[in-house]
Amino acid sequence: DQQVKQNSPSLSVQEGRISILNCDYTNSMFDYFLWYKKYPAEGPTFLISISSIKDKNEDGRFTVFLNKSAKHLSLHIVPSQPGDSAVYFCASSGGNMLTFGGGTRLMVKP
Amino acid sequence: EPEVTQTPSHQVTQMGQEVILRCVPISNHLYFYWYRQILGQKVEFLVSFYNNEISEKSEIFDDQFSVERPDGSNFTLKIRSTKLEDSAMYFCASRWDSMNTEAFFGQGTRLTVV
Repeated sequence: DQQVKQNSPSLSVQEGRISILNCDYTNSMFDYFLWYKKYPAEGPTFLISISSIKDKNEDGRFTVFLNKSAKHLSLHIVPSQPGDSAVYFCASSGGNMLTFGGGTRLMVKP
Repeated sequence: EPEVTQTPSHQVTQMGQEVILRCVPISNHLYFYWYRQILGQKVEFLVSFYNNEISEKSEIFDDQFSVERPDGSNFTLKIRSTKLEDSAMYFCASRWDSMNTEAFFGQGTRLTVV
């Protein structure tokens, strides 16, 4: 039962262009959504979050969009930089725990 | 900047042995978690802990697993009799609240069961 899904296992983008990572969820009880960035052999690092009462949250180059009716969120990174290359996980919070998607590996080419 | 710390960074153990993974959460946080990631797979929830008791646990967290906060600072995960399939990265996380706050993760412990 995958309550949080990231359907694209990988994404390749040219430096300077926009990266768009997508995430879908099924549980309408989720009320807080987060994006984490992860490098190999390291723990997930928090990037940005959004509450279910909002549809957009922006922090520098990172913007998260939430479409509650579609149960869909996306992370936009613009402009993308080679240092952004990592695995990105979306996570949904409902109750006490975070439920993670399967991750999308982003590769930003110089 | 406060951080979650985990020890050891890498643990190798023989099948059937007990292991204890240790975590020091951020000091003013109230909610504590263990997650694991088998190589190449998703980050999976194991257990959450609040007010000195388990608040939620997944199907993975069977009788072989236990958690404890023995001294008010450390948060431990014990696996009583390790199996080969327990080999994974184990991540500890903490949050100061369960609502609308991010969880901070440690660097992980790589557990290898041989």
